[in-house]
Amino acid sequence: GAGVSQSPSNKVTEKGKDVELRCDPISGHTALYWYRQSLGQGLEFLIYFQGNSAPDKSGLPSDRFSAERTGGSVSTLTIQRTQQEDSAVYLCASSSDRPLYEQYFGPGTRLTVT
Amino acid sequence: AQTVTQSQPEMSVQEAETVTLSCTYDTSESDYYLFWYKQPPSRQMILVIRQEAYKQQNATENRFSVNFQKAAKSFSLKISDSQLGDAAMYFCAYRNWGGSEKLVFGKGTKLTVNP
Repeated sequence: GAGVSQSPSNKVTEKGKDVELRCDPISGHTALYWYRQSLGQGLEFLIYFQGNSAPDKSGLPSDRFSAERTGGSVSTLTIQRTQQEDSAVYLCASSSDRPLYEQYFGPGTRLTVT
Repeated sequence: AQTVTQSQPEMSVQEAETVTLSCTYDTSESDYYLFWYKQPPSRQMILVIRQEAYKQQNATENRFSVNFQKAAKSFSLKISDSQLGDAAMYFCAYRNWGGSEKLVFGKGTKLTVNP
């Protein structure tokens, strides 16, 4: 079946603009995760959704970052007033209830803030 | 908080040879999962192998196997009969048994396979 998809694949934006990144999980997967991959910090967890609720948003780096998930499916990560340090690859992953431990990743969105 | 350390930023291996990538982790939990993910230039993270901490037997998947030493908190990946397609970044990752299901990643090891 179809894997996790993310759009756009690449995004270039000017400092101070808002951006939205989209993640389409594997159909039927109830859990969805966002991670950020940057040169200096490696792979960092941002937020985790179970259904439409986010029991763990501890990785969001500032209040400029927010995410939502609707219909237990598509998720959007929004970054307001982007800064150059937000430049990174944003990865989305999803997993089903059973087994709980296998996360399937999307191809990521490369965000460049100029 | 849990941490994962990969001490080898880069490794290289000759095609058909064997290479071992190192990973250590720190946790106070007794039940958890460990993973190795592969990330080729396409950016797609691919699960290579997983290990449940309660299992004493080391996991194997075809040419990939792990050496899991729970007391030493060590989780190395052995790739046998290396192929050109194995060239990628390899990430070691940890996940708690319950609670938040986030993965904690190491910094990665870049593997080069020489023909």
